[in-house]
Amino acid sequence: GAVVSQHPSWVICKSGTSVKIECRSLDFQATTMFWYRQFPKQSLMLMATSNEGSKATYEQGVEKDKFLINHASLTLSTLTVTSAHPEDSSFYICSAVGGGWDTQYFGPGTRLTVL
Amino acid sequence: SQQGEEDPQALSIQEGENATMNCSYKTSINNLQWYRQNSGRGLVHLILIRSNEREKHSGRLRVTLDTSKKSSSLLITASRAADTASYFCATKAGANSKLTFGKGITLSVRP
Repeated sequence: GAVVSQHPSWVICKSGTSVKIECRSLDFQATTMFWYRQFPKQSLMLMATSNEGSKATYEQGVEKDKFLINHASLTLSTLTVTSAHPEDSSFYICSAVGGGWDTQYFGPGTRLTVL
Repeated sequence: SQQGEEDPQALSIQEGENATMNCSYKTSINNLQWYRQNSGRGLVHLILIRSNEREKHSGRLRVTLDTSKKSSSLLITASRAADTASYFCATKAGANSKLTFGKGITLSVRP
């Protein structure tokens, strides 16, 4: 099946620093990638949708200047949390789709802890 | 906002028993999907059922969809300890719409 990887799997950073998370589709070309945020024991909340070569579409309430998304190629999307604060600590999960949108393939997630 | 609401929120059963999880949603859908998430991990796609389908099977999984009641159920037969995880239903309003997740159900299967 289709495989999506994320790097790093976990990261601890100091408040005020920026953190970049990578999402890669390993064996297929991802025309669209999605970024989700998940708090402990809660559901996934969609943050943004990114299409290769175009600007990401952010969900209501998500600060685009805070969460920078770049989808530079058909196999890579990055999420940069800028000037991170403790309230940004969360589990970030990406997913990717190929030509059709029926099945999204999810990455293993990245645990971000901001001190 | 969340579309799906699963119930129960938590379910604990003995290995070998069947587990039934329900999901209700509010607006019309193109398809409904079930995912599994092991603790601290990403999501694994289990099964997709389209709005014109009523039942689907995949191995030990059986999914039903009742669009008149806006509800779906996921049945896991002959459960195993390895089935312990959180299970989410997710709906799509259109073929190319975003996925909207429910709050999830925590399933514990006791060995």
